Amino acid sequence: HSALTQPASVSGSPGQSITISCSGTGSDLGSYDLVSWYQQHPGKVPEVIIYENAKRPSGISDRFSGSKSGNTASLTISGLLAEDEADYYCCSFVGRGGWVFGGGTRLTVL
Amino acid sequence: QVQLVESGGGVVQPGGSLRLSCAASGFTFNTKSMHWVRQAPGKGLEWVAFIHFDGNKTYYADSVRGRFTVSRDNSKNTLYLQMNSLRAEDTAVYHCVKDFGSYALEPWGQGNLVTVSS
Repeated sequence: HSALTQPASVSGSPGQSITISCSGTGSDLGSYDLVSWYQQHPGKVPEVIIYENAKRPSGISDRFSGSKSGNTASLTISGLLAEDEADYYCCSFVGRGGWVFGGGTRLTVL
Repeated sequence: QVQLVESGGGVVQPGGSLRLSCAASGFTFNTKSMHWVRQAPGKGLEWVAFIHFDGNKTYYADSVRGRFTVSRDNSKNTLYLQMNSLRAEDTAVYHCVKDFGSYALEPWGQGNLVTVSS
């Protein structure tokens, strides 16, 4: 399976909302409602912020929300804060092929 | 709390072999499936391998299938990744990751650097 497609970078001002897309095909992301999203700050390990397309783990701010339609998943961050500046990765289970990540999106808070 | 500590990385020549270990603590290891995920320097995340909690099911990324083998010793609370026929493109930090359930990955170990170079 090829990597899922994400924009290389997005940016927004504090208080604004941004959306990061994650595109796949009918044989990977489109076949399963099992997309997760990860936040990775520089020099740190990733942390899951969304699972099963739209669920938030305990302790994750409700400013983070996820959705999926067809072959595309989305992560929306509302009320942007400076601390949201990080790399974001989508990931999907793809059956016997295991899991596949997106290429990652660098979020810059202006 | 959950701790995942990787070891065994280092510098190896192309075509060589290396075995990574991941010592797990803070949870009941033999009830949780595990993953290996790698990140090349300055690059994105790449899922590598998965092993079911009882070791009876494994999945691999196309890029490593046939060269890497994931295994576990539940009596030692340890996860392994045997890496053979290593290539320059296998150079990366390798993370041991606990399966979160619901097909997500969390938490992540700090990682261990593997460098394939002559």
